[in-house]
Amino acid sequence: DVKVTQSSRYLVKRTGEKVFLECVQDMDHENMFWYRQDPGLGLRLIYFSYDVKMKEKGDIPEGYSVSREKKERFSLILESASTNQTSMYLCASSFGGGETYEQYFGPGTRLTVT
Amino acid sequence: GQNIDQPTEMTATEGAIVQINCTYQTSGFNGLFWYQQHAGEAPTFLSYNVLDGLEEKGRFSSFLSRSKGYSYLLLKELQMKDSASYLCAVRDSNYQLIWGAGTKLIIKP
Repeated sequence: DVKVTQSSRYLVKRTGEKVFLECVQDMDHENMFWYRQDPGLGLRLIYFSYDVKMKEKGDIPEGYSVSREKKERFSLILESASTNQTSMYLCASSFGGGETYEQYFGPGTRLTVT
Repeated sequence: GQNIDQPTEMTATEGAIVQINCTYQTSGFNGLFWYQQHAGEAPTFLSYNVLDGLEEKGRFSSFLSRSKGYSYLLLKELQMKDSASYLCAVRDSNYQLIWGAGTKLIIKP
């Protein structure tokens, strides 16, 4: 079974803090993704990575950065947390290549910025 | 712009059949996915369509018409555990997933 784990289920941070969200997958997937999910909106892609040390901006990268030093680990960094970054953050991974593979999701981190 | 439309909420009765529709306008098309997401949990993959027609998988079926930009997810013999949100996502010409907001399905006894 594919397993995608995220470092925290719930997180409360103060405005201006630097926040690290970590994601680990155990299936040797090439692709990893960070989304945020807000009520009434579809999943929105923040960043994705096709390989180690590779990163690509998604639809809403402002205020975020990422790091992928190892194939199995993809970190999302909020450089200076703001209240509008309060959201559910979902990490996902998938096989790469030319095939269209489904994404496997972690359980999510509900982040509250006060 | 790119857009995926799904009904916000639907209600159905245990044991019945429900059809959840999804219409899309995207820059290119490279497949359509359906995911299920129980409250507070991660989305899980249900089905994938890239050619027109019906794909059946147990109690769940998914249909695609590329010319109409339309798909539906059909759930038969509804069970209480089917209460969840159902997310439609389209892979565009850049192989990126465009997600709908999801349809919350409420099953009543």
